[in-house]
Amino acid sequence: DAGVIQSPRHEVTEMGQEVTLRCKPISGHDYLFWYRQTMMRGLELLIYFNNNVPIDDSGMPEDRFSAKMPNASFSTLKIQPSEPRDSAVYFCATNRGMASEAFFGQGTRLTVV
Amino acid sequence: KNQVEQSPQSLIILEGKNCTLQCNYTVSPFSNLRWYKQDTGRGPVSLTIMTFSENTKSNGRYTATLDADTKQSSLHITASQLSDSASYICVVSLGSSNTGKLIFGQGTTLQVKP
Repeated sequence: DAGVIQSPRHEVTEMGQEVTLRCKPISGHDYLFWYRQTMMRGLELLIYFNNNVPIDDSGMPEDRFSAKMPNASFSTLKIQPSEPRDSAVYFCATNRGMASEAFFGQGTRLTVV
Repeated sequence: KNQVEQSPQSLIILEGKNCTLQCNYTVSPFSNLRWYKQDTGRGPVSLTIMTFSENTKSNGRYTATLDADTKQSSLHITASQLSDSASYICVVSLGSSNTGKLIFGQGTTLQVKP
Protein backbone atom coordinates (compact mmCIF):
# COMPACT_ATOMS: atom_id res chain seq x y z
CA ASP A 1 0.00 0.00 0.00
CA ALA A 2 1.27 3.51 -0.83
CA GLY A 3 0.17 4.89 2.51
CA VAL A 4 -2.08 7.87 3.07
CA ILE A 5 -1.96 10.08 -0.01
CA GLN A 6 -2.66 13.78 0.20
CA SER A 7 -2.90 16.32 -2.57
CA PRO A 8 -1.75 18.84 -3.37
CA ARG A 9 1.53 18.90 -1.42
CA HIS A 10 1.65 22.67 -1.61
CA GLU A 11 -1.07 25.22 -2.25
CA VAL A 12 -0.73 28.96 -2.52
CA THR A 13 -3.94 30.90 -2.92
CA GLU A 14 -5.28 34.40 -2.54
CA MET A 15 -7.46 35.42 0.34
CA GLY A 16 -11.12 34.81 -0.41
CA GLN A 17 -10.54 31.89 -2.75
CA GLU A 18 -11.91 28.40 -2.17
CA VAL A 19 -9.36 25.74 -1.28
CA THR A 20 -9.93 21.98 -1.45
CA LEU A 21 -7.53 19.52 0.14
CA ARG A 22 -7.76 15.84 -0.72
CA CYS A 23 -6.95 12.62 1.08
CA LYS A 24 -6.89 8.99 0.01
CA PRO A 25 -6.77 6.71 3.06
CA ILE A 26 -5.03 3.38 3.36
CA SER A 27 -7.32 0.65 2.09
CA GLY A 28 -9.23 -1.04 4.90
CA HIS A 29 -8.76 1.74 7.42
CA ASP A 30 -12.09 2.75 8.93
CA TYR A 31 -11.07 5.95 10.73
CA LEU A 32 -9.95 9.12 8.99
CA PHE A 33 -8.73 12.26 10.72
CA TRP A 34 -7.97 15.78 9.50
CA TYR A 35 -5.38 17.77 11.47
CA ARG A 36 -3.91 21.25 11.18
CA GLN A 37 -0.38 22.07 12.31
CA THR A 38 1.08 25.51 12.96
CA MET A 39 4.14 26.68 14.84
CA MET A 40 2.02 28.51 17.37
CA ARG A 41 -0.61 25.86 18.10
CA GLY A 42 1.07 22.60 17.14
CA LEU A 43 -1.16 19.77 15.89
CA GLU A 44 -4.91 20.23 16.23
CA LEU A 45 -7.61 17.72 15.41
CA LEU A 46 -10.20 19.29 13.12
CA ILE A 47 -12.62 16.43 12.40
CA TYR A 48 -12.70 12.67 12.16
CA PHE A 49 -14.80 10.08 10.36
CA ASN A 50 -15.63 6.47 11.14
CA ASN A 51 -16.84 4.37 8.22
CA ASN A 52 -17.32 7.57 6.19
CA VAL A 53 -19.55 9.17 8.83
CA PRO A 54 -18.39 12.37 10.58
CA ILE A 55 -18.14 11.60 14.30
CA ASP A 56 -16.66 14.72 15.85
CA ASP A 57 -16.21 18.05 14.11
CA SER A 58 -15.78 20.14 17.25
CA GLY A 59 -12.26 21.06 16.17
CA MET A 60 -13.38 22.70 12.95
CA PRO A 61 -12.55 26.37 13.54
CA GLU A 62 -15.53 27.97 11.86
CA ASP A 63 -18.19 27.60 9.20
CA ARG A 64 -15.70 28.37 6.48
CA PHE A 65 -14.31 24.87 7.00
CA SER A 66 -16.14 21.76 5.82
CA ALA A 67 -15.11 18.14 5.32
CA LYS A 68 -16.68 15.26 3.46
CA MET A 69 -16.03 11.58 3.00
CA PRO A 70 -18.24 10.41 0.13
CA ASN A 71 -16.74 6.91 0.16
CA ALA A 72 -14.14 4.79 1.93
CA SER A 73 -11.34 5.83 -0.38
CA PHE A 74 -11.65 9.60 -0.51
CA SER A 75 -12.06 12.62 1.74
CA THR A 76 -11.90 16.37 1.21
CA LEU A 77 -11.36 19.35 3.46
CA LYS A 78 -12.65 22.59 2.02
CA ILE A 79 -12.06 26.16 3.12
CA GLN A 80 -14.37 28.78 1.65
CA PRO A 81 -13.46 31.62 1.71
CA SER A 82 -9.84 31.22 2.73
CA GLU A 83 -8.05 33.72 4.99
CA PRO A 84 -4.34 34.31 5.70
CA ARG A 85 -4.73 32.83 9.21
CA ASP A 86 -5.65 29.51 7.60
CA SER A 87 -2.05 29.15 6.46
CA ALA A 88 -0.77 25.91 7.97
CA VAL A 89 0.12 22.33 7.15
CA TYR A 90 -2.96 20.12 6.95
CA PHE A 91 -2.53 16.41 7.64
CA CYS A 92 -4.81 13.50 6.97
CA ALA A 93 -4.35 10.35 9.08
CA THR A 94 -6.08 6.98 9.09
CA ASN A 95 -6.41 4.03 11.48
CA ARG A 96 -7.76 0.55 11.38
CA GLY A 97 -9.68 0.72 14.65
CA MET A 98 -9.53 3.71 17.00
CA ALA A 99 -6.86 2.41 19.38
CA SER A 100 -4.43 1.32 16.70
CA GLU A 101 -1.50 3.14 15.16
CA ALA A 102 -2.38 6.17 13.07
CA PHE A 103 -0.73 6.62 9.69
CA PHE A 104 -0.25 10.18 8.53
CA GLY A 105 -0.01 11.52 5.01
CA GLN A 106 2.75 13.86 3.92
CA GLY A 107 0.56 16.88 4.52
CA THR A 108 -0.56 19.83 2.41
CA ARG A 109 1.22 23.10 3.08
CA LEU A 110 -1.35 25.85 2.55
CA THR A 111 -0.35 29.47 2.17
CA VAL A 112 -3.07 32.09 1.88
CA VAL A 113 -1.79 35.49 0.78
CA LYS B 1 -8.19 21.55 31.76
CA ASN B 2 -6.91 18.70 29.58
CA GLN B 3 -3.30 19.44 28.74
CA VAL B 4 -0.14 17.70 27.61
CA GLU B 5 3.15 19.37 28.42
CA GLN B 6 6.48 18.26 27.06
CA SER B 7 9.98 19.07 28.15
CA PRO B 8 12.47 20.13 27.18
CA GLN B 9 11.22 22.25 24.29
CA SER B 10 14.45 21.53 22.43
CA LEU B 11 17.52 19.43 22.96
CA ILE B 12 20.92 19.05 21.32
CA ILE B 13 22.99 15.92 21.89
CA LEU B 14 26.02 14.27 20.33
CA GLU B 15 25.66 11.21 18.16
CA GLY B 16 25.86 8.03 20.18
CA LYS B 17 24.56 9.59 23.39
CA ASN B 18 21.31 8.68 25.11
CA CYS B 19 18.53 11.11 25.92
CA THR B 20 15.17 11.19 27.65
CA LEU B 21 12.17 13.31 26.71
CA GLN B 22 9.41 14.02 29.20
CA CYS B 23 5.65 14.27 28.90
CA ASN B 24 3.26 15.29 31.69
CA TYR B 25 -0.46 15.23 31.17
CA THR B 26 -3.60 16.24 32.98
CA VAL B 27 -5.98 14.44 30.62
CA SER B 28 -8.76 12.54 32.34
CA PRO B 29 -10.18 10.08 31.66
CA PHE B 30 -7.35 8.69 29.65
CA SER B 31 -7.33 5.69 27.32
CA ASN B 32 -3.89 5.65 25.75
CA LEU B 33 -0.69 7.64 25.29
CA ARG B 34 1.26 7.79 22.06
CA TRP B 35 4.65 9.03 21.04
CA TYR B 36 5.19 10.23 17.48
CA LYS B 37 8.32 11.21 15.59
CA GLN B 38 8.00 13.95 13.00
CA ASP B 39 10.81 14.64 10.57
CA THR B 40 10.95 18.13 9.05
CA GLY B 41 8.48 18.45 6.20
CA ARG B 42 6.86 15.09 6.82
CA GLY B 43 3.88 13.68 8.66
CA PRO B 44 4.22 12.22 12.18
CA VAL B 45 5.11 8.54 12.46
CA SER B 46 3.93 6.46 15.39
CA LEU B 47 6.63 5.12 17.70
CA THR B 48 4.64 3.63 20.58
CA ILE B 49 1.10 3.35 21.92
CA MET B 50 0.49 2.50 25.59
CA THR B 51 -2.72 1.95 27.49
CA PHE B 52 -2.99 2.95 31.14
CA SER B 53 -2.14 -0.60 32.21
CA GLU B 54 1.20 -0.65 30.40
CA ASN B 55 4.37 0.65 32.05
CA THR B 56 6.83 0.37 29.21
CA LYS B 57 6.99 -0.29 25.51
CA SER B 58 9.95 -0.46 23.20
CA ASN B 59 10.43 0.10 19.50
CA GLY B 60 14.05 -0.52 18.59
CA ARG B 61 16.20 2.13 20.25
CA TYR B 62 13.09 3.95 21.50
CA THR B 63 11.63 3.01 24.89
CA ALA B 64 8.56 4.71 26.29
CA THR B 65 7.51 4.51 29.92
CA LEU B 66 4.22 5.44 31.51
CA ASP B 67 3.29 6.12 35.11
CA ALA B 68 -0.48 6.51 35.13
CA ASP B 69 -0.48 7.44 38.82
CA THR B 70 1.73 10.48 38.40
CA LYS B 71 0.53 11.06 34.82
CA GLN B 72 3.99 11.12 33.41
CA SER B 73 5.58 9.49 30.41
CA SER B 74 9.07 9.49 29.05
CA LEU B 75 10.68 8.54 25.77
CA HIS B 76 14.23 7.26 26.04
CA ILE B 77 16.43 7.15 22.97
CA THR B 78 19.46 4.92 23.17
CA ALA B 79 22.67 5.36 21.17
CA SER B 80 21.32 8.30 19.20
CA GLN B 81 21.85 8.58 15.47
CA LEU B 82 21.81 11.58 13.17
CA SER B 83 18.50 10.33 11.78
CA ASP B 84 16.91 10.75 15.21
CA SER B 85 16.93 14.51 14.64
CA ALA B 86 13.23 15.35 14.58
CA SER B 87 10.33 16.58 16.67
CA TYR B 88 8.87 14.11 19.16
CA ILE B 89 5.23 14.58 20.01
CA CYS B 90 3.40 13.12 22.99
CA VAL B 91 -0.32 12.57 22.40
CA VAL B 92 -2.93 11.50 24.93
CA SER B 93 -6.26 10.02 23.96
CA LEU B 94 -9.12 11.50 25.96
CA GLY B 95 -11.92 9.29 27.11
CA SER B 96 -12.38 5.81 28.46
CA SER B 97 -13.64 4.30 25.24
CA ASN B 98 -11.30 5.60 22.59
CA THR B 99 -13.53 8.45 21.50
CA GLY B 100 -10.94 9.84 19.14
CA LYS B 101 -10.28 13.08 20.98
CA LEU B 102 -6.53 13.49 21.03
CA ILE B 103 -4.67 16.06 23.11
CA PHE B 104 -1.29 16.93 21.60
CA GLY B 105 1.83 18.19 23.30
CA GLN B 106 3.82 20.93 21.62
CA GLY B 107 6.68 18.56 20.95
CA THR B 108 10.37 18.37 21.76
CA THR B 109 12.78 19.22 18.96
CA LEU B 110 15.82 16.96 19.09
CA GLN B 111 18.99 17.70 17.19
CA VAL B 112 21.70 15.04 17.06
CA LYS B 113 25.09 16.38 16.09
CA PRO B 114 28.04 14.35 14.79
